[in-house]
Amino acid sequence: GAGVSQSPSNKVTEKGKDVELRCDPISGHTALYWYRQSLGQGLEFLIYFQGNSAPDKSGLPSDRFSAERTGGSVSTLTIQRTQQEDSAVYLCASSLAGTSPGTDTQYFGPGTRLTVL
Amino acid sequence: GENVEQHPSTLSVQEGDSAVIKCTYSDSASNYFPWYKQELGKGPQLIIDIRSNVGEKKDQRIAVTLNKTAKHFSLHITETQPEDSAVYFCAAKGWGGSARQLTFGSGTQLTVLP
Repeated sequence: GAGVSQSPSNKVTEKGKDVELRCDPISGHTALYWYRQSLGQGLEFLIYFQGNSAPDKSGLPSDRFSAERTGGSVSTLTIQRTQQEDSAVYLCASSLAGTSPGTDTQYFGPGTRLTVL
Repeated sequence: GENVEQHPSTLSVQEGDSAVIKCTYSDSASNYFPWYKQELGKGPQLIIDIRSNVGEKKDQRIAVTLNKTAKHFSLHITETQPEDSAVYFCAAKGWGGSARQLTFGSGTQLTVLP
């Protein structure tokens, strides 16, 4: 079946502009995660959704970053007044988030490469 | 919070040889340890995972071992092939509660030389 999809695949913006990144999780997956991957680095957790609510926003680096999820499906990550240090690949993952083993496996999308000039 | 360290950062092996990547973690409450393979321009793909109730798991040429006492786990790839060349990430997470996110290691660039 269809995996996690993200759009756009690439985004180039000017410093100070706002950007929106979109994630479509696997159908039926109630949990959704956003991570950031800077060049040559590991993945840094940003935010986690269970349904439409975000019980864990601890990874958001500043108040310029926000995210929402509507209808328990699509999520949008918004970065306001972008800075050059925001340049990275933004990855989305989804999981069933159940209580039995295997239901918490996270499946990743291809990512959005953001470049802030 | 959890901290995961991964070694080596780069690894080159001859085709047909074995490759081993090692990770340590800090939070003794972590009990789920996946490994992801990331090819250039793509998102990470899960290749194998292990839970704390087992010490080893194998899937064809790939195996993972876990030592909960020492808080380390390793990925073993045997009979390496050029298509195994990629960046490999280990990760750790606790079970249930609010510990939903994965904490990742910094990655290992594996190059399999023909």
